[in-house]
Amino acid sequence: GAGVSQSPRYKVAKRGQDVALRCDPISGHVSLFWYQQALGQGPEFLTYFQNEAQLDKSGLPSDRFFAERPEGSVSTLKIQRTQQEDSAVYLCASSLGDSPLHFGNGTRLTVT
Amino acid sequence: GQNIDQPTEMTATEGAIVQINCTYQTSGFNGLFWYQQHAGEAPTFLSYNVLDGLEEKGRFSSFLSRSKGYSYLLLKELQMKDSASYLCAVGPYSSASKIIFGSGTRLSIRP
Repeated sequence: GAGVSQSPRYKVAKRGQDVALRCDPISGHVSLFWYQQALGQGPEFLTYFQNEAQLDKSGLPSDRFFAERPEGSVSTLKIQRTQQEDSAVYLCASSLGDSPLHFGNGTRLTVT
Repeated sequence: GQNIDQPTEMTATEGAIVQINCTYQTSGFNGLFWYQQHAGEAPTFLSYNVLDGLEEKGRFSSFLSRSKGYSYLLLKELQMKDSASYLCAVGPYSSASKIIFGSGTRLSIRP
């Protein structure tokens, strides 16, 4: 079956632009996580959904970051007015609820 | 607070054994994960320990000591394809809450 799918795979944005990153979780997975991974570092937690409810957004670095999952399936991470420090790989992961996280390949965002 | 420490880099020889250590100090503890991540790819699940002791799964074994806040991942009969980053992470198995990752150990295998 299909794994977690993220798009785009690569995104280059000019500083100040808005970006939207998409995550298609594995069908039926109720839990969905967003992580940010800087080069040479481990993934840093951003936010977590259970179905359509955003249960934890404590990791979002600023109010420029916003995530949604309106129908409890596909999720979008939006970053407004991108800054250079936003450059990273953004990983999405999903879980059935009683299983480990399954990660997508990520979106590599470069802000110039 | 949350603090997970693991070595930044390690090098080992093909066919040998390597042990990657991880120490953690967290405000809550449910269990400890090990994930493997090849460059440019998604992390993939290797193991989850919730009880003290050693769990073996093929060439990979993982050990946990809750009282010492310590874990290790043991890789035997190393193959070139084992060159990757190995991420230690703390959290609940059932993803009821967030999982906290260490910075990862980049393992290089030489022939």
